[in-house]
Amino acid sequence: DAMVIQNPRYQVTQFGKPVTLSCSQTLNHNVMYWYQQKSSQAPKLLFHYYDKDFNNEADTPDNFQSRRPNTSFCFLDIRSPGLGDAAMYLCATSRDGQQETQYFGPGTRLLVL
Amino acid sequence: DAKTTQPNSMESNEEEPVHLPCNHSTISGTDYIHWYRQLPSQGPEYVIHGLTSNVNNRMASLAIAEDRKSSTLILHRATLRDAAVYYCILSSTGNQFYFGTGTSLTVIP
Repeated sequence: DAMVIQNPRYQVTQFGKPVTLSCSQTLNHNVMYWYQQKSSQAPKLLFHYYDKDFNNEADTPDNFQSRRPNTSFCFLDIRSPGLGDAAMYLCATSRDGQQETQYFGPGTRLLVL
Repeated sequence: DAKTTQPNSMESNEEEPVHLPCNHSTISGTDYIHWYRQLPSQGPEYVIHGLTSNVNNRMASLAIAEDRKSSTLILHRATLRDAAVYYCILSSTGNQFYFGTGTSLTVIP
């Protein structure tokens, strides 16, 4: 039944230790998005893939990278997490990039120690 | 990026209608208006969207001003399960979502 799956739901990492968050979808959608949501703030778009084409937001730090090996999976890599990167990370998909509904996963909450 | 402005918080009594306003004075002709809501510890959930005409679905209604510079999400009978943060979002042709601050809705039993 689940459409956008994020694992794990909670992730603890150490300051500076690389971490990867994963997202998978059963919708066969072309577009996958990653958002960062800090406490009591709105989600902020980091980047998105339209099929294999990667689209980075201008203000996304270089510390954040993404990979999409196939249609179903997308990964968020944080190369050297800082304390300020502690947040909820949300993955979303849409069928196309043209005013389509976005379907969000439950999110992964990242804690940086 | 197109911007939206919403009240930070609103309250409603249970089983009464709720009107959640959103201003988007910089909207362009091709921008769609989306409404999502987010319950605690969950991802945002689609509520409704529209371009120019008013829209209805099983969850809510969307009233769009004639000049499209504002819109109102209408929950016809608020329930306790409707307590959430409601986001009004504009999307252009690229479908990137740039969230505003949202309105935290409290439903009073």
